[in-house]
Amino acid sequence: AQSVAQPEDQVNVAEGNPLTVKCTYSVSGNPYLFWYVQYPNRGLQFLLKYITGDNLVKGSYGFEAEFNKSQTSFHLKKPSALVSDSALYFCAVRDIGGANNLFFGTGTRLTVIP
Amino acid sequence: GAVVSQHPSWVICKSGTSVKIECRSLDFQATTMFWYRQFPKQSLMLMATSNEGSKATYEQGVEKDKFLINHASLTLSTLTVTSAHPEDSSFYICSASGMSYEQYFGPGTRLTVT
Repeated sequence: AQSVAQPEDQVNVAEGNPLTVKCTYSVSGNPYLFWYVQYPNRGLQFLLKYITGDNLVKGSYGFEAEFNKSQTSFHLKKPSALVSDSALYFCAVRDIGGANNLFFGTGTRLTVIP
Repeated sequence: GAVVSQHPSWVICKSGTSVKIECRSLDFQATTMFWYRQFPKQSLMLMATSNEGSKATYEQGVEKDKFLINHASLTLSTLTVTSAHPEDSSFYICSASGMSYEQYFGPGTRLTVT
């Protein structure tokens, strides 16, 4: 069975500093991994995905994520945080054998401090 | 491209009444649509998956007679919460998937049952 863990409920970072939001996964085969961002009372916005290829994936709004197979991790990163990046971030893994089901982590609330 | 809308964005209803939420894919054909429920400060919980023209597949613990899902066309799925109770108050999010593996999310519907 597929699962995703986001070990941090809350991450605080100063504006301009690099940020990392952690995600580890568990799958039986090759993982399809995703990051989404959610602003208050809004749906999810797609940030980036890893399917195959380069381990470093670049996405929207300057975010990137590094796929690490040996550590089964897919951490989200950004070199310089903006206050507007403050939001709820979800990591997700796709169920390869099913109907494109996504399994979500519990979410990490990122707060960028001015 | 790949825009998904939900209507209404916010609804208040009285206990015992039914509420219908619409999910539309505006610029692509959605062969599969997903309905999620999100409690405050929690992750998304998949409720059901529906394929156009077929009966929805419900996740364990989700009452199919209470949460009626209809996927009548390739651009529209509806979720009807029947005989709503205050505990049904939540944020409901739909997503749609076409020929690719990606899910595109709607903006969500906030349901409050009084």
